[in-house]
Amino acid sequence: GEDVEQSLFLSVREGDSSVINCTYTDSSSTYLYWYKQEPGAGLQLLTYIFSNMDMKQDQRLTVLLNKKDKHLSLRIADTQTGDSAIYFCAERIGDYKLSFGAGTTVTVRA
Amino acid sequence: DTGVSQDPRHKITKRGQNVTFRCDPISEHNRLYWYRQTLGQGPEFLTYFQNEAQLEKSRLLSDRFSAERPKGSFSTLEIQRTEQGDSAMYLCASSLEGGTNEKLFFGSGTQLSVL
Repeated sequence: GEDVEQSLFLSVREGDSSVINCTYTDSSSTYLYWYKQEPGAGLQLLTYIFSNMDMKQDQRLTVLLNKKDKHLSLRIADTQTGDSAIYFCAERIGDYKLSFGAGTTVTVRA
Repeated sequence: DTGVSQDPRHKITKRGQNVTFRCDPISEHNRLYWYRQTLGQGPEFLTYFQNEAQLEKSRLLSDRFSAERPKGSFSTLEIQRTEQGDSAMYLCASSLEGGTNEKLFFGSGTQLSVL
């Protein structure tokens, strides 16, 4: 995913909020996604946002989209140890293809 | 809805051998995708099927790779004459065309190690 960039690591204390940032390049992307991957597992879809929205909230997750700057963020409120994982940002290219970032490894410390 | 299933979960093979992976998508999903993920990277698109038709193949998919979806249900990905550079996680995903956001659901992947 050279077109999608993310910071590689994030360390957060349990109970604090986590914010993962992502930039993408295709201004015509219709949907942007956040996936979670735990060790040795596949990707779990966490949430998504349509390109005409600025914000989407889903329980502890808040997605912010700045279309002008092509910047996407995922905020996890009240981060728990079970939130430790790799988080991937992805943009939809055309009708069906996803382009992924390299992933942000989130470590939750007690 | 049992999710996307992939088999095997792990495969260890010697260089030069052929390997085949299977993917069973979510039953009503007509779109099926193969992605490859190497250590420290995000998944990279390999190929896409709509029903039984293979509509796109990435340049990453060399001639040693072939994918099929004969009846528009399960799919197989075969790698001939494996090389050490083929070592990766191979992920299958499926989706239903025409959904309002067309979410892709991924399987747990097949981890290939070529010795």
